[in-house]
Amino acid sequence: GIQVEQSPPDLILQEGANSTLRCNFSDSVNNLQWFHQNPWGQLINLFYIPSGTKQNGRLSATTVATERYSLLYISSSQTTDSGVYFCAVRASGTYKYIFGTGTRLKVLA
Amino acid sequence: EAQVTQNPRYLITVTGKKLTVTCSQNMNHEYMSWYRQDPGLGLRQIYYSMNVEVTDKGDVPEGYKVSRKEKRNFPLILESPSPNQTSLYFCASRRRDRGSENTGELFFGEGSRLTVL
Repeated sequence: GIQVEQSPPDLILQEGANSTLRCNFSDSVNNLQWFHQNPWGQLINLFYIPSGTKQNGRLSATTVATERYSLLYISSSQTTDSGVYFCAVRASGTYKYIFGTGTRLKVLA
Repeated sequence: EAQVTQNPRYLITVTGKKLTVTCSQNMNHEYMSWYRQDPGLGLRQIYYSMNVEVTDKGDVPEGYKVSRKEKRNFPLILESPSPNQTSLYFCASRRRDRGSENTGELFFGEGSRLTVL
């Protein structure tokens, strides 16, 4: 089955810093999403981005489907950005979502 | 507001006492699913449903039952809970695919934290 790897596994930033999170996947996908799990455990949709580039405020994401990776950019990080960031993919022709193991981000004030 | 609603959000129960976690979505989505999240194991799918009266097993279905009698509701039933079912549970929904290049975005409920003593 499709493999999903996220890097780095852990990241500590000072408030105001920028960061890039990466998601690599091993097969073609027709669905890729980024989620933020906040410290209370809620999973928040960030981007639905099977291909291309999207931006939402300080966050942006790019998926290069032909090269099988996606990047999540966080600019001017804030303490509220802390939590775990997951990418989830669905391989073409399947119904099942495969989640990466996540990047745990801690932003220090 | 478009949302997926789970109840209860927190529950402490005892071994063997049947419980149901409800899930309801107001987006008219065809697809619904249940996941559990455990430290070190990530999110694992329990059951999913492609539409009313159509359900199928995910990766970890043992000890769980589901039903899909109405499009908006997808309850998760633990007939005889055991301590190894202590976990954080998520319900999710999305619309059906409209072609291979037009897939739906997955939306999650807020999670239900279950402890079985």
